[in-house]
Amino acid sequence: KNQVEQSPQSLIILEGKNCTLQCNYTVSPFSNLRWYKQDTGRGPVSLTIMTFSENTKSNGRYTATLDADTKQSSLHITASQLSDSASYICVVSRRRGTYKYIFGTGTRLKVLA
Amino acid sequence: DGGITQSPKYLFRKEGQNVTLSCEQNLNHDAMYWYRQDPGQGLRLIYYSQIVNDFQKGDIAEGYSVSREKKESFPLTVTSAQKNPTAFYLCASSIGGGSEKLFFGSGTQLSVL
Repeated sequence: KNQVEQSPQSLIILEGKNCTLQCNYTVSPFSNLRWYKQDTGRGPVSLTIMTFSENTKSNGRYTATLDADTKQSSLHITASQLSDSASYICVVSRRRGTYKYIFGTGTRLKVLA
Repeated sequence: DGGITQSPKYLFRKEGQNVTLSCEQNLNHDAMYWYRQDPGQGLRLIYYSQIVNDFQKGDIAEGYSVSREKKESFPLTVTSAQKNPTAFYLCASSIGGGSEKLFFGSGTQLSVL
């Protein structure tokens, strides 16, 4: 069964601290993995994309990693800011099949001053 | 500005009433999608369309209907047959029907009176 699991479900950190969010998947055939940020009451926005051959990719203070062998990805946030408070959703895409996008349930991050 | 526009932001439905959620995109994308988001759950696919005048059911199509008469428009009707319609509804589009990046609208929160 194609599934995406994220952990932790929620996380509270102090401003300026770092954190890491996890995504494990059992999706095939794998095409790519994206991390989306969703502010409360808004639509998700893509942060980064990871393809099969990529191990690490950075987008400002966000760094995503992918281990295609263990089917795990992480999103590391450095020097967190209050504006990082949001839900972070891991989405794995399939190369073929009816349902191309498999969504995780998200990690809700709260950054406190 | 290119993007996806959803309206209204908030919508209330009376029992036995059909309501229609609007989704318009000016990205010239071929594929459009409707997702339902419930607290603690991943996004679930309601309907998707890869081309004008064609659409396919997703995981939870019962109680919903769509049309795709124009490339830029993909309205979703929540019918009275949907007994639990309270949720956050997200419209998305992608360039084609593959595994490209999804662009999301800002969502519509539907509640039952």
